[in-house]
Amino acid sequence: EPEVTQTPSHQVTQMGQEVILRCVPISNHLYFYWYRQILGQKVEFLVSFYNNEISEKSEIFDDQFSVERPDGSNFTLKIRSTKLEDSAMYFCATNEEQYFGPGTRLTVT
Amino acid sequence: AQKVTQAQTEISVVEKEDVTLDCVYETRDTTYYLFWYKQPPSGELVFLIRRNSFDEQNEISGRYSWNFQKSTSSFNFTITASQVVDSAVYFCALSEKGYTNAGKSTFGDGTTLTVKP
Repeated sequence: EPEVTQTPSHQVTQMGQEVILRCVPISNHLYFYWYRQILGQKVEFLVSFYNNEISEKSEIFDDQFSVERPDGSNFTLKIRSTKLEDSAMYFCATNEEQYFGPGTRLTVT
Repeated sequence: AQKVTQAQTEISVVEKEDVTLDCVYETRDTTYYLFWYKQPPSGELVFLIRRNSFDEQNEISGRYSWNFQKSTSSFNFTITASQVVDSAVYFCALSEKGYTNAGKSTFGDGTTLTVKP
């Protein structure tokens, strides 16, 4: 399987702070996704991104969240003002084959 | 709307037993992917298999096998001669082709498998 990478692997932040999670997708892939998994729960879709714009988003993906691909390679998820309930694993994936990255564990204190 | 049901929340077996994890899905699309992932305590999603909706052949990979039946909308996963290292949460997922030609995944709730020595 091709590799999707994510950084950081673990991020600890204080409530109200902004965080940026990064994903390096497979180089020739065009479709990107972010998913979230709260501890002990299932993986939930957040947003999909194609052709430099959001193609679909879930109700979880509110105004606190944003995504972009600033340099044509990294795909980022920004949370503007983190809340305790944002603590979760965040996974990036690419294309319809859904190649998943290893995830970033976000802990909000 | 797509939906994935993993009716078994937890399964406990003794090492060397065979175990089958059930997955039933709902979709209106004719083109979709089905997946199984293993999630160990470390948290990453370990890819196990991806199956295209047009390929109903069952698959075997070592001790793992998958039974895809479109007639019953099921994609079950069997571990033969289970081992303690198989203990993990297993997720089944479905990805439809969306209007952008690449759809998001919908996951089941997961099945926690515990294999006792």
